[in-house]
Amino acid sequence: GNSVTQMEGPVTLSEEAFLTINCTYTATGYPSLFWYVQYPGEGLQLLLKATKADDKGSNKGFEATYRKETTSFHLEKGSVQVSDSAVYFCALTLSSASKIIFGSGTRLSIRP
Amino acid sequence: DAGVIQSPRHEVTEMGQEVTLRCKPISGHDYLFWYRQTMMRGLELLIYFNNNVPIDDSGMPEDRFSAKMPNASFSTLKIQPSEPRDSAVYFCASSFSSSTNEKLFFGSGTQLSVL
Repeated sequence: GNSVTQMEGPVTLSEEAFLTINCTYTATGYPSLFWYVQYPGEGLQLLLKATKADDKGSNKGFEATYRKETTSFHLEKGSVQVSDSAVYFCALTLSSASKIIFGSGTRLSIRP
Repeated sequence: DAGVIQSPRHEVTEMGQEVTLRCKPISGHDYLFWYRQTMMRGLELLIYFNNNVPIDDSGMPEDRFSAKMPNASFSTLKIQPSEPRDSAVYFCASSFSSSTNEKLFFGSGTQLSVL
């Protein structure tokens, strides 16, 4: 079946540290891949996306590259800020008319 | 753009009572999704609609749960009777299917506590 596996949290880092949140997927076709972010007390919102192999999605200093050979879509940021504290969800979809499949989420906490 | 609007924001009820959660999707969006979020299970898709028609309700936990979408601008999720294990945050989300790469817009959620 189609699924998303992401590293378990919580992840705690100091401000300005380098961030990596791992995400791997299993899919029967060629999925589009997403990272969503959920800030405290809010719904999820799209952070970035990539639609085909080797695409790089980027937004707000975050990046993720669609790696077909390793079925991965790891989220990275070079220097995190306290305001990046949130829960991050990796997700995939296989067609424009299908549901999005989410990973379990990774809670990120940044210390000042 | 008002975004996806959910009500109530918080609901506290007693076991056995009926609970109705409401959602207004973004105007023009033709897909609507109901999700449940808990610490134990993460984010679970309960049901989704396309053009007001339920497409996949395989995530609805049991017959106590029901969802309707009487028109393009309104949906409800009902739990009757409610149980303490239903306590969770319930999210509604909508999307526009003409996009080749789906982007979901989430509401702020309803925090449900069943005592």
